[in-house]
Amino acid sequence: GQNIDQPTEMTATEGAIVQINCTYQTSGFNGLFWYQQHAGEAPTFLSYNVLDGLEEKGRFSSFLSRSKGYSYLLLKELQMKDSASYLCAVRDPGGSYIPTFGRGTSLIVHP
Amino acid sequence: GAGVSQSPSNKVTEKGKDVELRCDPISGHTALYWYRQSLGQGLEFLIYFQGNSAPDKSGLPSDRFSAERTGGSVSTLTIQRTQQEDSAVYLCASSLTQNEKLFFGSGTQLSVL
Repeated sequence: GQNIDQPTEMTATEGAIVQINCTYQTSGFNGLFWYQQHAGEAPTFLSYNVLDGLEEKGRFSSFLSRSKGYSYLLLKELQMKDSASYLCAVRDPGGSYIPTFGRGTSLIVHP
Repeated sequence: GAGVSQSPSNKVTEKGKDVELRCDPISGHTALYWYRQSLGQGLEFLIYFQGNSAPDKSGLPSDRFSAERTGGSVSTLTIQRTQQEDSAVYLCASSLTQNEKLFFGSGTQLSVL
C-alpha cells in the first residue's frame, strides 16, 4: 500500500521562511513531486526529487531522504501570493508509475 | 494546445443522470491521468492511459465510472447514474512519458443535486 502524510494547515508571516514536511511509506519509490494549488485552480509543478539531497529553485527548495521516507518543501521570503495548498506526491514503479498524492498542506501567509 | 484543456468547467446535474467530462491533453503527451478532488481531500487517482497500452482502471470507484481515450489524444470520463457522492472536482493531467512531470487542467466542478 501507499501512505503519504502532510500537515493539514500551516500559517506563516510575510517575509518569513516556512518548511512543509511530507512523509511516505510506499512499496517502491521512483520520485517525489511537489505541486502548488491555488484555490479553484489547477495544481502547478514545483519540484521533482529522485535522489537524496536538496534541490534549490529560486525561493523554493525541496529536500529528499529516501532512507527516511521524508521530504520537505522550503519556501523563503514568503509572499502573500504563496498562500495556497501544497501537494506532495510519490511515484511508485510498483504502482504503474502513477503518482499518489497526499491530502495537501494549506499554507496561509499573513502580513 | 498550450496546456491541458477540460470541459465543461462546471457541470450541475440531477441524481441519476449520466455525465461526460472531456480532457484535451498537451499534444504529444503519451500519458493521461484522471483524478478527482473532493472538498478538503487530496487527489484521488481514477484511471491512467499510457500510449496504446490497456488503461489502468484500478482507481475507478464503481462500475458507473468509465473512460476512454480516442486516437491517443482526447479522453472522456463518463459517470452513469450519478450520485451525490460523485460531486467533486475532476482533474485531468498529461505527461510526455510516464516518467515526466504532470501538467494539470483546470478541472471540471461536478455538482450532483
